[in-house]
Amino acid sequence: QVQLVESGGGVVQPGRSLTLSCTASGFTFSSAGMNWVRQVPGKGLEWVAVIWYDGSKKLYADSLKGRFTISRDNSKNTLYLRMNSLRAEDTAIYYCARDSHSVRFDYWGQGTLVTVSS
Amino acid sequence: DIVMTQTPLSSPVTLGQPASISCRSSQSLVHSDGNTYLSWLHQRPGQSPRLLIYKTSNRFSGVPDRFSGSGAGTDFTLKISRVEAEDVGIYYCMQATQFPRTFGQGTKVEIK
Repeated sequence: QVQLVESGGGVVQPGRSLTLSCTASGFTFSSAGMNWVRQVPGKGLEWVAVIWYDGSKKLYADSLKGRFTISRDNSKNTLYLRMNSLRAEDTAIYYCARDSHSVRFDYWGQGTLVTVSS
Repeated sequence: DIVMTQTPLSSPVTLGQPASISCRSSQSLVHSDGNTYLSWLHQRPGQSPRLLIYKTSNRFSGVPDRFSGSGAGTDFTLKISRVEAEDVGIYYCMQATQFPRTFGQGTKVEIK
């Protein structure tokens, strides 16, 4: 069965960097586009970024202003999100979500909590 | 950006009774490929979102048939024919027609 498992969250100081990972199993990872979505606890969902199945194209939410970088390693079935210059407002649960050929956001991971605080 | 607006934001329902949530987009969600990428997600307390409906009216794998989606263009509806206890939580509409992907504010469904 399709599984997405995020990791790498934790408490980080403002201005520091953090890299999240999403490890996939149960499907051909190299054939699927992948997204990051975040959610401030108790609030709504915000799309962060997408990467094409082969890594050839990456798109980001304008609000991130170049601080975040999405990448993938298809040999490791793993998606990444590098987050630089972290701010308090980046505190959220970060989810990875799959785009299959015809269905967007069909599977979601359980999320990893990032807390930006001094 | 496409703005997604859901109504109501809160919906107290009686077990066994129907429920309905509306979603309106600020622009047409018809993609150049002819598809309308409007989805509905359900998030139970403490859990991650899960897909219920995709491309307006298609139930995702394992979703009970009491859930149905309809609509076109900019106006969409999610209906639950008979609410069960496990249906509580927050429902989101989202569009995947354009970037950035955007979500509605969420509708909280709770049992009366």
